[in-house]
Amino acid sequence: SSELTQPPSVSVSPGQTARITCSGPPLSNQFTFWYHRKSGQAPLLVIYKDTERPSGISQRFSGSRSGATGTLTISAALAEDEGDYFCQSVDSSDMVVFGGGTKLTVL
Amino acid sequence: QLQESGPGLVQPSQTLSLFCDVSGVSVSTGGYAWTWIRQSPGKGLEWIGYIYHSGSTHYTPSLRSRVTISIDKSQNQFSLELNSVTAADTAVYYCARGETSRSSGALFDLWGQGTLVTVSS
Repeated sequence: SSELTQPPSVSVSPGQTARITCSGPPLSNQFTFWYHRKSGQAPLLVIYKDTERPSGISQRFSGSRSGATGTLTISAALAEDEGDYFCQSVDSSDMVVFGGGTKLTVL
Repeated sequence: QLQESGPGLVQPSQTLSLFCDVSGVSVSTGGYAWTWIRQSPGKGLEWIGYIYHSGSTHYTPSLRSRVTISIDKSQNQFSLELNSVTAADTAVYYCARGETSRSSGALFDLWGQGTLVTVSS
């Protein structure tokens, strides 16, 4: 089992807002990082340090953290946003931990 | 760019060996953690460990007794060895470039496509 808990799946209609949560003890005092993996592709970092967006990532992607829960928000969802989303942090021993992943469906 | 390579089938109790060819950046460059991550069927991502250009390594506790990550600066690649494998080691294995710091934690900004390794006789 993972130290970080994500919902297995989230569905959103095109143009609407999707929110994916990530909860766990490490997030009480460590940053959340988010990755998007489209089918058959390499994972892509979309949010780092809770709220920062890497260069080239759409402004439709945003992140936040409150308490021990991080949230990835995808505004105006597009079909290209479909795929698996993983959160990641580090635990109290500086070991890297991932969430179980959330499958986002846009329909 | 990162690209994994290695056998797609490994027999139980044998050693899994994978290589990650790196292009566009030197593994000798300081500040990066050259990382292996895997995903077993039906499970989430699992961090295996990483190595710095100095050769310093960090491994996840659950695999520490069976795993070795090495770096080859002459070939600009790094590798993974996992010994005494069982069916539970069947997974897609990814190599990635990480950045780590005490204040920020760790992030992975470049990933390979992943390679499926099946442990079966």
